[in-house]
Amino acid sequence: KNQVEQSPQSLIILEGKNCTLQCNYTVSPFSNLRWYKQDTGRGPVSLTIMTFSENTKSNGRYTATLDADTKQSSLHITASQLSDSASYICVVSLSGGGADGLTFGKGTHLIIQP
Amino acid sequence: SQTIHQWPATLVQPVGSPLSLECTVEGTSNPNLYWYRQAAGRGLQLLFYSVGIGQISSEVPQNLSASRPQDRQFILSSKKLLLSDSGFYLCAWRRGAGVSYEQYFGPGTRLTVT
Repeated sequence: KNQVEQSPQSLIILEGKNCTLQCNYTVSPFSNLRWYKQDTGRGPVSLTIMTFSENTKSNGRYTATLDADTKQSSLHITASQLSDSASYICVVSLSGGGADGLTFGKGTHLIIQP
Repeated sequence: SQTIHQWPATLVQPVGSPLSLECTVEGTSNPNLYWYRQAAGRGLQLLFYSVGIGQISSEVPQNLSASRPQDRQFILSSKKLLLSDSGFYLCAWRRGAGVSYEQYFGPGTRLTVT
């Protein structure tokens, strides 16, 4: 069964600190992996998209890594800001999958405290 | 630029009442459109998708239905709501093809069935 597991479920850090969110998946065959940021009560917004040949991709203070061999990804946030408080969702795309072919993780709820 | 709208933003409906949620996309033509539901503590679940006018595919059997009367309009409906229909409903559209397509989400509708 295709699954995406994210950890931790929730995380609280102080403003200015760094943090790393984890994503493990069992989706096969794999096409790409995405990280989305979802502010409370809003729709998700794409941060990064990585194919199996990409090991890392950055978007400002967000850096995603991918190890397609171990089927693990991480999202590193540098110098956190209050606006980073949100849920971060890992989404894995199934190669050749019908419909959207996407499997969503449950997300990590991140809270940045001043 | 492309924009996706959803309304209403919030909705409180009694059990057994009908439902109609609307989604429209501006600035693009013939988009693939999607309806997702996000329940508390769970990942996004694909409900319906459409590749063109009048073409609807259902991913999950339920008491909901979808229609696409116009190219950039997607409607989610129910004749009789259940308590389990409560959740955050997101419309999305896809741009591009191939591996690294972009998927954009609307602002969502928070539905509470009482």
